[in-house]
Amino acid sequence: QKEVEQDPGPLSVPEGAIVSLNCTYSNSAFQYFMWYRQYSRKGPELLMYTYSSGNKEDGRFTAQVDKSSKYISLFIRDSQPSDSATYLCAMIPAGGTSYGKLTFGQGTILTVHP
Amino acid sequence: EAGVVQSPRYKIIEKKQPVAFWCNPISGHNTLYWYLQNLGQGPELLIRYENEEAVDDSQLPKDRFSAERLKGVDSTLKIQPAELGDSAVYLCASSWGTLNNEQFFGPGTRLTVL
Repeated sequence: QKEVEQDPGPLSVPEGAIVSLNCTYSNSAFQYFMWYRQYSRKGPELLMYTYSSGNKEDGRFTAQVDKSSKYISLFIRDSQPSDSATYLCAMIPAGGTSYGKLTFGQGTILTVHP
Repeated sequence: EAGVVQSPRYKIIEKKQPVAFWCNPISGHNTLYWYLQNLGQGPELLIRYENEEAVDDSQLPKDRFSAERLKGVDSTLKIQPAELGDSAVYLCASSWGTLNNEQFFGPGTRLTVL
């Protein structure tokens, strides 16, 4: 079983829809949580970064972390065709042998159609 | 500010041939990472450098893969000999420091082994 499991999708939504992307994890040492966006033929770019349970909002994006359930989510409001990409959750432990190591989910392909 | 530069962007080789990838990180970033991304998967760390020192190479298949970062700036990842299963995207990333600092990714090198 992988340390980080991500809903594989793919997701296809109409423009303006609310999108929910989710990941679960098994390693309780994960303390830092990120969402990356990766366009086709490009490297991942950081979208959101959180380190505590709760919600963090940035424009149309909201990252949610529930450490007690080992579950994180990314919500996209008013989705746009330009949001079409692969979304990757990623996590870093604060200690142990994997100190500082970024572990990714498998990614969810999102398509927003006009 | 220039981003992480990687070359070549694409490489096609026959199995058993050697191949090398080059990465130039963002200026001032002392930590450099090489990741492997298979189709439909998230990136997986191969090796992490802090300056010239490889501090985590536990996931690097050392029988055929090697890496170097001689002057603590740019880096080269080599595969010799390449196998069919090595076909993937090889991503380079850099950050200032480690732990929870943002990693900036290059566009990757897409390797096809025939």
